Amino acid sequence: DADVTQTPRNRITKTGKRIMLECSQTKGHDRMYWYRQDPGLGLRLIYYSFDVKDINKGEISDGYSVSRQAQAKFSLSLESAIPNQTALYFCATSDMTGANTGELFFGEGSRLTVL
Amino acid sequence: AQSVTQPDIHITVSEGASLELRCNYSYGATPYLFWYVQSPGQGLQLLLKYFSGDTLVQGIKGFEAEFKRSQSSFNLRKPSVHWSDAAEYFCAVDPNTGFQKLVFGTGTRLLVSP
Repeated sequence: DADVTQTPRNRITKTGKRIMLECSQTKGHDRMYWYRQDPGLGLRLIYYSFDVKDINKGEISDGYSVSRQAQAKFSLSLESAIPNQTALYFCATSDMTGANTGELFFGEGSRLTVL
Repeated sequence: AQSVTQPDIHITVSEGASLELRCNYSYGATPYLFWYVQSPGQGLQLLLKYFSGDTLVQGIKGFEAEFKRSQSSFNLRKPSVHWSDAAEYFCAVDPNTGFQKLVFGTGTRLLVSP
């Protein structure tokens, strides 16, 4: 099983609908992130969380919200989806200790299409 | 403005040939530097990273990268490319704020020809 699991993997929805993307991890990491990938733009940070009580906006947080339900769970919500939120979304985790310091561990992505 | 630049959108290399992917950054201090690879339909996987010390860094899958402070560059190299290396490659920078917010380049897609 994957260490970082994203659901759903694919979702098609309509403008104005509320969408939630979920991320769960078994790595025991405190830090979790949501990135958005668009062709030609690379990955851009939406939100990040360093522990359950710590939530921070990234560079493109407008139109998104997040919830850190537990150390292992970090959800991304689009309250009212719009077509320019069509993208591939990645959840990632990191740990600041040991040999993996600085490394992000990614889920396989959630492809969202907003019609 | 602070940024990470990957000037090549696409690169095609023959199988067995050498590869160099370019990455330049513009930050005041030397940041932490990373290369990630994304295979089709997959998430990103770390190839290698540079924090300090030896400027030539070895990574997984036979990749290496060299940090050149004078050029603000961190180019990725591989002496002999395999067909399985076809993927998208991302350079990423942690500006060393202590918060580990990676800034990614726009990526370079590598195509490997027979």
